[in-house]
Amino acid sequence: DAGVTQSPTHLIKTRGQHVTLRCSPISGHKSVSWYQQVLGQGPQFIFQYYEKEERGRGNFPDRFSARQFPNYSSELNVNALLLGDSALYLCASSSSLGHREAFFGQGTRLTVV
Amino acid sequence: AQTVTQSQPEMSVQEAETVTLSCTYDTSESDYYLFWYKQPPSRQMILVIRQEAYKQQNATENRFSVNFQKAAKSFSLKISDSQLGDAAMYFCAYRSSQGGSEKLVFGKGTKLTVNP
Repeated sequence: DAGVTQSPTHLIKTRGQHVTLRCSPISGHKSVSWYQQVLGQGPQFIFQYYEKEERGRGNFPDRFSARQFPNYSSELNVNALLLGDSALYLCASSSSLGHREAFFGQGTRLTVV
Repeated sequence: AQTVTQSQPEMSVQEAETVTLSCTYDTSESDYYLFWYKQPPSRQMILVIRQEAYKQQNATENRFSVNFQKAAKSFSLKISDSQLGDAAMYFCAYRSSQGGSEKLVFGKGTKLTVNP
């Protein structure tokens, strides 16, 4: 079975631009969460979506938004990019059953110049 | 708000030896999950072990085991018979059991080096 897949793997953007990151969860997983991992730090929670509805939001500005589609894939959008948005963006999916463990993708490395 | 603290930025161990990584956390909840994740240079976060707070028995997964001290809010990871492939960043993480939340709160991580 395919794991969590994210695209693209690497991305370079200019300050002020907009970026869209994509995530496909493990088949059968209805929950998708997004995390930002700045170099040398642990991941920080950005959003959780379940059944297309936002279930949680971390302490991030309104420039960050996300959505989940009927097939449970998800997009993370960031507007008006700042240098400080440079980070590894991780997507995780989890089942609504059992221990609801999070399975992570390999992330998208975003560099803002 | 929940917080997770990993006080060891870096640790090293000789191959085949045992190493313990420390983690403390703060929460007012009584029911929650604790996890250890491994992040190798490939960047993908890999679940190593899970502990449910209501279980007193410490979790074990092959060479990996935890020492869960709920009253002390401590959750350390012991790696036995260390292998070169264990070298990675290790993150301790907390997750509430309330309200269907999937939010993980991570520590800053411990970089583990395994010396041959």
